[in-house]
Amino acid sequence: QSVLTQPPSVSGAPGQRVTISCTGSSSNIGAGYGVHWYQQLPGTAPKLLIYDDNNRPSGVPDRFSASNSGTSASLAITGLQAEDEADFYCQSYDTSLSGWVFGGGTKLTVL
Amino acid sequence: QVQLVQSGAEVKKPGASVKVSCRASGYTLSNYYMHWVRQAPGQGLEWMGIINPNGGSTTYARQFQGRVTMTRDTATGTGYVELSSLRSEDTAIYYCARSPLSSGWFALVGFDLWGQGTLVTVSS
Repeated sequence: QSVLTQPPSVSGAPGQRVTISCTGSSSNIGAGYGVHWYQQLPGTAPKLLIYDDNNRPSGVPDRFSASNSGTSASLAITGLQAEDEADFYCQSYDTSLSGWVFGGGTKLTVL
Repeated sequence: QVQLVQSGAEVKKPGASVKVSCRASGYTLSNYYMHWVRQAPGQGLEWMGIINPNGGSTTYARQFQGRVTMTRDTATGTGYVELSSLRSEDTAIYYCARSPLSSGWFALVGFDLWGQGTLVTVSS
């Protein structure tokens, strides 16, 4: 059972927009330490996609964006492409656990 | 180029220990915290702990305390994680990842670089 809750899967057709939710609590997302998102392509290591709520590292397309409100966050992907098919994880720091926590991951399927 | 290079796959018997290494290439180890994260087959990511390369202080996730040790060798730019009393549930890919010291203890810019992963298999 992950501390941050994500839907196991989402799907969308090429060109569409999808969102992935991440629900936490006052000891993590609600504590204000920032939410980060990672993309893990099949058979590879995770890659930082969004940091500190809604900032993109260099090289990440602006089709990826994120937001958060209270104890929840969400990742939005617009203009879906086949190459976006991957697992996505949210992450935050948890003050009760004194460490970092991840969501259980969401598998994105591009139909 | 800037990368984290991990050691090769390991096969261990239950009750044994394993030590995985992670070498920083193209950047200075002392400017970044090193984290260890593992991923069991078909499962999600699980944070194991963090080491400050300056001084070597560590914080471990509660579920690993007593079984995990993280160290670093600043001369070679290499971090290590050792897990003892291995059981089948420890079968996983172990990743090292970094976060900048400049972003503070709470890794406000996330884990911006990951190693390629090391598969550890625990089997009798």
